[in-house]
Amino acid sequence: QSVLTQPPSASGTPGQRVTISCSGSSSNIGSNSVNWYQQLPGTAPKLLIYINNERPSGVPDRFSGSKSGASASLAISGLQSEDEAHYYCAVWDDSLNGVVFGGGTKLTVL
Amino acid sequence: QVQLVQSGAEVKKPGASVKVSCKASGYTFTTYPIHWMRQAPGQRPEWVGWINADIGNTKHSQKLQGRVTLTRDTSASTAYMELSSLTSEDTAVYYCARGWGYSGYARFDPWGQGTLVIVSS
Repeated sequence: QSVLTQPPSASGTPGQRVTISCSGSSSNIGSNSVNWYQQLPGTAPKLLIYINNERPSGVPDRFSGSKSGASASLAISGLQSEDEAHYYCAVWDDSLNGVVFGGGTKLTVL
Repeated sequence: QVQLVQSGAEVKKPGASVKVSCKASGYTFTTYPIHWMRQAPGQRPEWVGWINADIGNTKHSQKLQGRVTLTRDTSASTAYMELSSLTSEDTAVYYCARGWGYSGYARFDPWGQGTLVIVSS
């Protein structure tokens, strides 16, 4: 059983808004900041959101993050074809004493 | 610009060791930790550990404790990850990434391009 649970897939049409959830526990999301990564096919993950809802420079404001209790969400508005990728949440886990990644969500733009 | 460039793909036999390098440029190497992750085919990334690029202390995942060695050469702005006693389950792409904190943080930016390690007899 995964420490961080994400839906395996999500989809939307161009221009739509989609959200991806990440469910954890008090030892990870409940006590540490959440980060989101985008991984395009055949490439390294890229930081998309840090400290729950902050965007690195260069990341469009179409991407936003939120956190409540032991769960977090990534929202993508104005969906574009280039958003088709795998998305991972990541957070430090105090019980495991290490970083844990969610199982990943494959986003398909229809 | 900040960049991490890793060494090339490796093919190893079971029981052997592999050493992957990660050369940093575009920033002061000793200011940030280097974290290592790996990603088996079709799987989520898995955190391996971090090294303090300044003083060299390290922390590893419990799963790989005893088999992984993280080192760095500050004069070359390069970090290294060595994994011993390889099995087929170690076949993965190994990534280094600049960390924005040590334990307690999972913010990694940027990542290296990845090094494919294949373990096969």
